[in-house]
Amino acid sequence: DAKTTQPTSMDCAEGRAANLPCNHSTISGNEYVYWYRQIHSQGPQYIIHGLKNNETNEMASLIITEDRKSSTLILPHATLRDTAVYYCIVKGLQGAQKLVFGQGTRLTINP
Amino acid sequence: DSGVTQTPKHLITATGQRVTLRCSPRSGDLSVYWYQQSLDQGLQFLIQYYNGEERAKGNILERFSAQQFPDLHSELNLSSLELGDSALYFCASSPRRGLAGGPSYNEQFFGPGTRLTVL
Repeated sequence: DAKTTQPTSMDCAEGRAANLPCNHSTISGNEYVYWYRQIHSQGPQYIIHGLKNNETNEMASLIITEDRKSSTLILPHATLRDTAVYYCIVKGLQGAQKLVFGQGTRLTINP
Repeated sequence: DSGVTQTPKHLITATGQRVTLRCSPRSGDLSVYWYQQSLDQGLQFLIQYYNGEERAKGNILERFSAQQFPDLHSELNLSSLELGDSALYFCASSPRRGLAGGPSYNEQFFGPGTRLTVL
């Protein structure tokens, strides 16, 4: 599974879009980009995933660059409840089925 | 609410003791995963079961064991507890088919966790 790099922390004002970047320059063609978040000591929560096309669901949008070496998770109208640690995980569908969580990005939404 | 339940929510015990953590996966999910989250190690995968059989093992100590029962609930047994075993223990389950229709084991749904404190 490819290694990912995320900023340690970010701040965003409530009501604005939160854009969380993730670098995964060694991603291979069959690996997906997954995003999870963990709100203070709760269980991690699956947000979204994508392969190469941009994806959107009720929680967020995922923008993957054309070369697939980086991606951005977008929370369109951040609320205080979006304050959490966000994890970007790159993983294929083969091999070990465990998720490997890095340090993630601690996103703080400010009022 | 992910649909995954874990009991107990909190557990306080002494060194040397043995405890059992319980997890019920979402209805219909065959895979159960256990993770440990301590302050200094972050989230670490311990073990996975699929339909009653062990499928993958991570950094699980020999003092720890797990099983998945015919009704698909799972138990994580921790014995000869040490201070360093104090952590949050999460269980997760994954559906048979993913949102895109393909394999789904990377879409894991986590329970609320059990906070274990060893004194």
